[in-house]
Amino acid sequence: GQQLNQSPQSMFIQEGEDVSMNCTSSSIFNTWLWYKQEPGEGPVLLIALYKAGELTSNGRLTAQFGITRKDSFLNISASIPSDVGIYFCAGDNYGQNFVFGPGTRLSVLP
Amino acid sequence: GAGVSQSPRYKVAKRGQDVALRCDPISGHVSLFWYQQALGQGPEFLTYFQNEAQLDKSGLPSDRFFAERPEGSVSTLKIQRTQQEDSAVYLCASSLAYSQEQYFGPGTRLTVT
Repeated sequence: GQQLNQSPQSMFIQEGEDVSMNCTSSSIFNTWLWYKQEPGEGPVLLIALYKAGELTSNGRLTAQFGITRKDSFLNISASIPSDVGIYFCAGDNYGQNFVFGPGTRLSVLP
Repeated sequence: GAGVSQSPRYKVAKRGQDVALRCDPISGHVSLFWYQQALGQGPEFLTYFQNEAQLDKSGLPSDRFFAERPEGSVSTLKIQRTQQEDSAVYLCASSLAYSQEQYFGPGTRLTVT
């Protein structure tokens, strides 16, 4: 079945630094979603992408839909302590059945 | 309420017991999804409803898992004869008709002892 890979698996950064993470697939997707999950909570939707090449921002977050339709990228600028959490990408190909990646765990050091 | 709610938040079951997990979607959301999230992993799709119709149940791991949404609103995920491998967080999500944007509840953490 379809699988997503996310890198890095985890990252430790200093407060104020920019963060980049990506998500890759062996299959083409027509929708990418990025979520953040904190301990004991459900994933929270950050950004939705619908078109190859699309670049979308949500505050300090920017995500891009790769032009090959097999990858997506998430950047966080000027990280703050509340950015700590696990970031998941999810992809869908003309259905309602989203496939989630294994997540990137972000830790922000003060 | 404003968001998706799930109950109970935590459930401990002895192996072999049946459990029922409830999901209240966002009002007006036609689509409802159940996911299973094992520790340290991303959510995995279980099943999907549009209104009361279960359109996809390809992710249910065995016939011990059953989901229903009889009136097109609240949904229940039932697991019969629970096994230790069923221990996980069960997440519910909902979305508007024809929208890809799914909004998740806080999940139910099931521990089977």
